[in-house]
Amino acid sequence: GAVVSQHPSWVICKSGTSVKIECRSLDFQATTMFWYRQFPKQSLMLMATSNEGSKATYEQGVEKDKFLINHASLTLSTLTVTSAHPEDSSFYICSALTLEGGPNTQYFGPGTRLTVL
Amino acid sequence: DQQVKQNSPSLSVQEGRISILNCDYTNSMFDYFLWYKKYPAEGPTFLISISSIKDKNEDGRFTVFLNKSAKHLSLHIVPSQPGDSAVYFCAADTTDKLIFGTGTRLQVFP
Repeated sequence: GAVVSQHPSWVICKSGTSVKIECRSLDFQATTMFWYRQFPKQSLMLMATSNEGSKATYEQGVEKDKFLINHASLTLSTLTVTSAHPEDSSFYICSALTLEGGPNTQYFGPGTRLTVL
Repeated sequence: DQQVKQNSPSLSVQEGRISILNCDYTNSMFDYFLWYKKYPAEGPTFLISISSIKDKNEDGRFTVFLNKSAKHLSLHIVPSQPGDSAVYFCAADTTDKLIFGTGTRLQVFP
């Protein structure tokens, strides 16, 4: 099956710093990638939809200036959490869309645990 | 407004028995549903899906049932195994995104 990787798998940073998370589709091209966050014991919440070569579409309530998304190529999307604060501590998961295997098949990355001190 | 709901946050089942995980949705326009399994600190993995033109889809130990009139779907796992212990999310597939339920933590004990 299709493989999606994320880097780093976990990161600890100080409040006020910025953190970049990479999402890569390893063996397929993904014109669309999605970024989710999950708080403990809660559902995955879609943050934004990232399309290669265009601006990301953010869900209501997600600050686009805080969560910068760049989808520079068909295999790479990045999420930068700018001026991170403790409340941004969460599990961030990306997924990549492929038309193979059925409609709207998303393959998920392993996630990145962000802890902001 | 939670469009996809999993009202049971947790479920405990003995090994070998059947696990039934339930999911309700509010939008009758949803026509494709998926179940994902998630271990702690990992991304979700796809399990099984169902289109609204069907009322049942089976894959090995996993069967998903869809009741469109009740806007309800369920995932049956039989026989349950300890390795099935995880959080299970149902999701509705809209035209541009997945809408996830809140998840049910399944624990299968020996």
